[in-house]
Amino acid sequence: EVQLVESGGGLVQPGRSLRLSCAASGFTFDDYAMHWVRQAPGKGLEWVSGISWNSGSIGYADSVKGRFTISRDNAKNSLYLQMNSLRAEDTALYYCAKGRGGSYLRVFDYWGQGTLVTVSS
Amino acid sequence: IQLTQSPSSLSASVGDRVTITCRASQGISSYLAWYQQKPGKAPKLLIYAASTLQSGVPSRFSGSGSGTDFTLTISSLQPEDFATYYCQQLNSYPLFGQGTKVEIK
Repeated sequence: EVQLVESGGGLVQPGRSLRLSCAASGFTFDDYAMHWVRQAPGKGLEWVSGISWNSGSIGYADSVKGRFTISRDNAKNSLYLQMNSLRAEDTALYYCAKGRGGSYLRVFDYWGQGTLVTVSS
Repeated sequence: IQLTQSPSSLSASVGDRVTITCRASQGISSYLAWYQQKPGKAPKLLIYAASTLQSGVPSRFSGSGSGTDFTLTISSLQPEDFATYYCQQLNSYPLFGQGTKVEIK
């Protein structure tokens, strides 16, 4: 059974940093692209960042480019999102999602339950 | 690329046929997917490649279209189908539409 478990969310002040993690199990992690998708309270889905199976291709939404860094450790079956210079508008539930293939331009076939990030002073 | 879903919300009854439209600002071939999200839950993949049903998804869901215009159809709405539906394009980078909330009439 595919499982994606996010962690690392919490309350953080504007301008500070936070690192999210996603622990994956139930599939061959290093065969698939992975993504972060966020959802602000009461709002729609926003793709944040994606990384191919071998970290060779990485993409970011314009809203986070230069502030967020995605990475993965295939030996640990883990995905990460380093979030710097956080803003109030980054407040959201952050989902980890598995791509359907190795490229990050494939649909997301499994999702975690999300970790909540709140940016407030 | 921009994705525009319509309507943004709709009210329907059990048994109704429901159609949701997603329009891309430029051609995306068939690189389009549909997701369902229920309150408090993670999204669920319904359809990919515009018209391919994800394994385990009921056959009352169907997708069509290519290029710029796409539709998601629920042939006979069931109580468990009341949710928000999102389209997603994967032609250049992953991008979601703004969502369509399907409510009980």
